[in-house]
Amino acid sequence: NAGVTQTPKFQVLKTGQSMTLQCAQDMNHEYMSWYRQDPGMGLRLIHYSVGAGITDQGEVPNGYNVSRSTTEDFPLRLLSAAPSQTSVYFCASSYSNPGTGGETQYFGPGTRLLVL
Amino acid sequence: AQSVAQPEDQVNVAEGNPLTVKCTYSVSGNPYLFWYVQYPNRGLQFLLKYITGDNLVKGSYGFEAEFNKSQTSFHLKKPSALVSDSALYFCAVRELSRGSTLGRLYFGRGTQLTVWP
Repeated sequence: NAGVTQTPKFQVLKTGQSMTLQCAQDMNHEYMSWYRQDPGMGLRLIHYSVGAGITDQGEVPNGYNVSRSTTEDFPLRLLSAAPSQTSVYFCASSYSNPGTGGETQYFGPGTRLLVL
Repeated sequence: AQSVAQPEDQVNVAEGNPLTVKCTYSVSGNPYLFWYVQYPNRGLQFLLKYITGDNLVKGSYGFEAEFNKSQTSFHLKKPSALVSDSALYFCAVRELSRGSTLGRLYFGRGTQLTVWP
C-alpha cells in the first residue's frame, strides 16, 4: 500500500491565484481530513469528510473548498490564494472519525505552500 | 478554553537519559488521548493512544505514556533516549460536540525534542 499520498510537495503561488492540493489514500478509509501546520500553532483542521459525498468544515475553513467524489480522493482547493495561506498542508485518513471512535490517523508527507 | 496544552516548546536531553514530554488536557467526558511524532520534512506518525483500560500505555519505538485523570495529564516518556528520537511531538485529545457522540481531535502546539549525543 502507498498509504496517503499528496501532490505537489512544494508550490509557490501569487496572491489571487488558484490551485488544488491533491490527496489520495489506498486503504479504503472512510474518514479523510485536511490540516494546516503553522509554527507555534500545531495542526488545525480545515475540512473533513466522513465518506464519499459528505464533507464538513473544521476549525479554519475560510478560503478553502473540498469535495469527495470517491473514497480514495479528497482534494483541497484554494480559490484565491492569500499570503495568510502560506503553510504546510497535511492530509490524513482513518477508518472512521478519530474524534468519535479514537481511530488512528495516517498522514501524508505534506505540501509546503508559499503565497507571495 | 484550550483543549490540549504542551507547556514546553523544547525539551533537550542527553542520549541515554530518560525523557518526558508533557501534555495536559481539558475536555468534558472521557478523553481519548494520542501522541504523534513528526520527523523533519515528514508527515505525522502515530505513537500511541489511550482510549480506556490501563493507565500506562505502551507504544512504538519504546515510548510509553501515563494517563493521569486527577492531574488531567498524558505525559510521554521513554526510559533511555536516542539521538534518533529527536523530532517534533504532538499530543492530541478528542473533544465531543455538546450533546453528541460526534467529536474531533484537537492537537497541541508541539514540543521539539532534541537528544544530544
